[in-house]
Amino acid sequence: EDKVVQSPLSLVVHEGDTVTLNCSYEVTNFRSLLWYKQEKKAPTFLFMLTSSGIEKKSGRLSSILDKKELFSILNITATQTGDSAVYLCAVEGTGTASKLTFGTGTRLQVTL
Amino acid sequence: SAVISQKPSRDICQRGTSLTIQCQVDSQVTMMFWYRQQPGQSLTLIATANQGSEATYESGFVIDKFPISRPNLTFSTLTVSNMSPEDSSIYLCSATSLQGSEQYFGPGTRLTVT
Repeated sequence: EDKVVQSPLSLVVHEGDTVTLNCSYEVTNFRSLLWYKQEKKAPTFLFMLTSSGIEKKSGRLSSILDKKELFSILNITATQTGDSAVYLCAVEGTGTASKLTFGTGTRLQVTL
Repeated sequence: SAVISQKPSRDICQRGTSLTIQCQVDSQVTMMFWYRQQPGQSLTLIATANQGSEATYESGFVIDKFPISRPNLTFSTLTVSNMSPEDSSIYLCSATSLQGSEQYFGPGTRLTVT
């Protein structure tokens, strides 16, 4: 059974801090790893990673995948209060096309 | 990216009744999915909605409880049948684009069963 573990479960930082969120996984026939931001109901797509060692970047957010060690990190630099959300990691295996297995998420709170 | 809408956005229902949730995508997509997110939990896949055929259900979910339709490439419905308070959750529709496997989510339906 595919498994995704995220750490920490929750995090409180001050505005301007840099945070690193972790995601480790076990999946049959890995296809991709995805990061989402969930503020209220709908998860918002951030990144999809398929290759090791290639950093994906969008503004203050970046992510990288290590397929050998089976983990990914999501970095957020110069955090803002608008970054407060639950960050979800999900993996896609090739067993069932496009089926995602989600971790429990990291709840990030950015305070002034 | 696909834009996904869901109706209703929220509902409060009595136990024993059924609710049908609609999901509409603004472009043709290869696959559509239904997820459940119980309070304080992460997302759990209920089923894959297959166009023109029966949905593929994940372990722990059955067609009698969660019948799903997908009559075309842009529309799907999920019915939550014979509801109990344990069905109180957010129900989310998602879809994969034709170009790749990024999955995009609808805004969700918050269901409360009393």
